[in-house]
Amino acid sequence: EIVLTQSPGTLSLSPGERATLSCRASQSVSSSYLNWYQQKPGQAPRLLIYSTSSRATGIPDRFSGSGSGTDFTLTISRLEPEDFAVYYCQRYGSSSFTFGGGTKVEIK
Amino acid sequence: QLQLQESGPGLVKPSETMSLTCTVSGGSISSSTYYWGWIRQPPGKGLEWIGSIYYSGSAYYNPSLKSRVTISVDTSKKQFSLKLNSVTAADTAVYYCAHSGSFYGFDYWGQGTLVTVSS
Repeated sequence: EIVLTQSPGTLSLSPGERATLSCRASQSVSSSYLNWYQQKPGQAPRLLIYSTSSRATGIPDRFSGSGSGTDFTLTISRLEPEDFAVYYCQRYGSSSFTFGGGTKVEIK
Repeated sequence: QLQLQESGPGLVKPSETMSLTCTVSGGSISSSTYYWGWIRQPPGKGLEWIGSIYYSGSAYYNPSLKSRVTISVDTSKKQFSLKLNSVTAADTAVYYCAHSGSFYGFDYWGQGTLVTVSS
């Protein structure tokens, strides 16, 4: 079973700063099936990035994704107040879905 | 625009079976590109995939839950359902239903429903 490890667990940054979130897989993952979500308190997760680097509908271009193999990154170029939230990576493979443990981006 | 809505009891007793239904609107539940799933989130914790089902009825489950989970689909009612048996307090969580498309990401979600396991 592939495990996704997200780091750091918590990222403390100020609005306007750049956020870099990591998602590391225990085995190689197809970049076609590596996705990222944002979740705010009391809300369902929202798809941000699919297939490693494609932005979902309505997602601003300050969000970007990259990576391959076992290492993937979500970057928020300049944090807006509404970006402080928890972010999850997720992969699909062999008829199974797996989520990472999440990274909380909090206001410093 | 797809919309999903979970329904079911908010309180279940330990050792009983939990049943939830997700009703789909705004689109077809029978498309070959659609995959319907259940995800849960214990209070204060992360997301856990429970299982997914194709419109044809082929279902896939999280190995850690497989022995207790059944997911089914009723295309005539535009619904898919989750049954989790022998529940314990560890199954207390917000349960989400969601749709995944060709890239196997979850692009549409229900609002979630809190299920508490307690006597």
